[in-house]
Amino acid sequence: QKEVEQNSGPLSVPEGAIASLNCTYSDRGSQSFFWYRQYSGKSPELIMSIYSNGDKEDGRFTAQLNKASQYVSLLIRDSQPSDSATYLCAVRSGSYGKLTFGQGTILTVHP
Amino acid sequence: GAGVSQSPSNKVTEKGKDVELRCDPISGHTALYWYRQRLGQGLEFLIYFQGNSAPDKSGLPSDRFSAERTGESVSTLTIQRTQQEDSAVYLCASSYTSGGTYEQYFGPGTRLTVT
Repeated sequence: QKEVEQNSGPLSVPEGAIASLNCTYSDRGSQSFFWYRQYSGKSPELIMSIYSNGDKEDGRFTAQLNKASQYVSLLIRDSQPSDSATYLCAVRSGSYGKLTFGQGTILTVHP
Repeated sequence: GAGVSQSPSNKVTEKGKDVELRCDPISGHTALYWYRQRLGQGLEFLIYFQGNSAPDKSGLPSDRFSAERTGESVSTLTIQRTQQEDSAVYLCASSYTSGGTYEQYFGPGTRLTVT
């Protein structure tokens, strides 16, 4: 069983729609959760971090965490073509900062 | 402020040669990480440095891989006797560790091609 799993995608949404990206993790003791955006040929860019159950909003992005279900999601409202990228879910489980990444979900926002 | 920097940005080497990749973390970040990303794949953890503690080398794929870091500054990742399967983008990240957030910020990566 993979430690961090993301919906495989690719995900295609029209401009202006809500894009929903999902991630599950296997280690119930995980403490920190991150979403990175990676454009083709570029390195990952941190867009959201969440540490406690519930929702965290930052502009058009909302991260949702449910530790009981071992589930974290990212919602992108009013999706724009510039949001087209691979989105990586990352989970920290140990006593230090090592992250385990999912395989990523490719998002395409079409005009 | 300045972000994580890596050099070289691209490296082409012949099979069997040694290569050295460099990472300069964000100033003040005590933790430094190396990851590998093969084409179309996710990120694979290689090694972690935290201050003067012994590094976590659990992700290094073979004894051909080694890394060093002096204090809380520059790190070098060395691959000896390179193989074609070593071709990948090597990413370095750094983070604070106080406060428990561990948000990692990545450098631009070094694209290694072994011919």
